[in-house]
Amino acid sequence: DAKTTQPNSMESNEEEPVHLPCNHSTISGTDYIHWYRQLPSQGPEYVIHGLTSNVNNRMASLAIAEDRKSSTLILHRATLRDAAVYYCILRDNGGATNKLIFGTGTLLAVQP
Amino acid sequence: DGGITQSPKYLFRKEGQNVTLSCEQNLNHDAMYWYRQDPGQGLRLIYYSQIVNDFQKGDIAEGYSVSREKKESFPLTVTSAQKNPTAFYLCASSLHRGGNGYTFGSGTRLTVV
Repeated sequence: DAKTTQPNSMESNEEEPVHLPCNHSTISGTDYIHWYRQLPSQGPEYVIHGLTSNVNNRMASLAIAEDRKSSTLILHRATLRDAAVYYCILRDNGGATNKLIFGTGTLLAVQP
Repeated sequence: DGGITQSPKYLFRKEGQNVTLSCEQNLNHDAMYWYRQDPGQGLRLIYYSQIVNDFQKGDIAEGYSVSREKKESFPLTVTSAQKNPTAFYLCASSLHRGGNGYTFGSGTRLTVV
């Protein structure tokens, strides 16, 4: 399974944009890039996913490098409710299974 | 509203006893998964099932068992063979194929006393 590398923690101020990086240098052509976030004592919540092109939804934007070896999750205006652990995960759409393999993620702290 | 339900939210078990955690989904998802999370750690895959009556071991299946008799249900049994069962257990479901996301339950916190 392809692996991802994320910083252990990041800090942001409320109302400011946040850029959460993820490296995935061993990504294969059929791997989708998924982002999830997890609030304390809750199950992870799907945020966004993409394959090659940048993606936008109501929660966030996903910027994918041209060589797909890295990506960035962008929260346009951080709120206190965005404080969570953010996981960047590769999901193999071409494999026999579609299981998600989680790393330790990035703990995002948002300061008022 | 469609969703995935785990019960109970908190569970206490005496050492040496088996216990079964419930997971039910009404999303018509093909695949279901069980993860374990320890404090400060990421999620680790225990078992997963892509279709009814079929399931595969994940990375840490020892001491656990599952069944998938119905599409909607994927119960996890924590047996007495699991050496360190105290953890937060998360169930998830997804469509089998495509880049679709997972839907997670709210988790069951199991404590062995």
